[in-house]
Amino acid sequence: DQQVKQNSPSLSVQEGRISILNCDYTNSMFDYFLWYKKYPAEGPTFLISISSIKDKNEDGRFTVFLNKSAKHLSLHIVPSQPGDSAVYFCAPNYGGATNKLIFGTGTLLAVQP
Amino acid sequence: DAGVIQSPRHEVTEMGQEVTLRCKPISGHNSLFWYRQTMMRGLELLIYFNNNVPIDDSGMPEDRFSAKMPNASFSTLKIQPSEPRDSAVYFCASRPPSGGAEAFFGQGTRLTVV
Repeated sequence: DQQVKQNSPSLSVQEGRISILNCDYTNSMFDYFLWYKKYPAEGPTFLISISSIKDKNEDGRFTVFLNKSAKHLSLHIVPSQPGDSAVYFCAPNYGGATNKLIFGTGTLLAVQP
Repeated sequence: DAGVIQSPRHEVTEMGQEVTLRCKPISGHNSLFWYRQTMMRGLELLIYFNNNVPIDDSGMPEDRFSAKMPNASFSTLKIQPSEPRDSAVYFCASRPPSGGAEAFFGQGTRLTVV
């Protein structure tokens, strides 16, 4: 059962423009939503997160928006840079006693110079 | 801090052989996760330990897969017997007891079963 869906396997953006990566989920038990970035031959690294009680979190060029009614979140990168080219994973966390972190299928972002 | 350490980085084995992947979590972290990355399914959670106890192993694909965490600084994921469809990158991640939900990943083990 795919509880987390990233429907765009890939995205290509020009340097300096905005990148928008999307994620849809089905479970209402998630307490945090994280975004991870992954370069080839490396492990995923944490990028930014948002609590389920908030609708926006910003950190420099990165902003995550959460729409709980639509069970949808998005990651905005502005301005995009070639070094942002990587696979981005949406990762919701179950709260409470379960407290486990699951991942979507990922979106490959390519930022063209 | 050395981060999460996984070994080996690469493993090539023949079908039917036993494979053991190893993970040393970050000191002080009390949660440990094993994930498998494939093109089709992204990062799948295989099993999750909290304070060395397996909490959720619902992602373990078959009885051929087993995982242990004998102490807070070591975990293994074993596949016996291995099959070509087990070929993937396996990641271990650990998480501290407090703070947000962020988990820290190792560099992964690329397993090829021929």
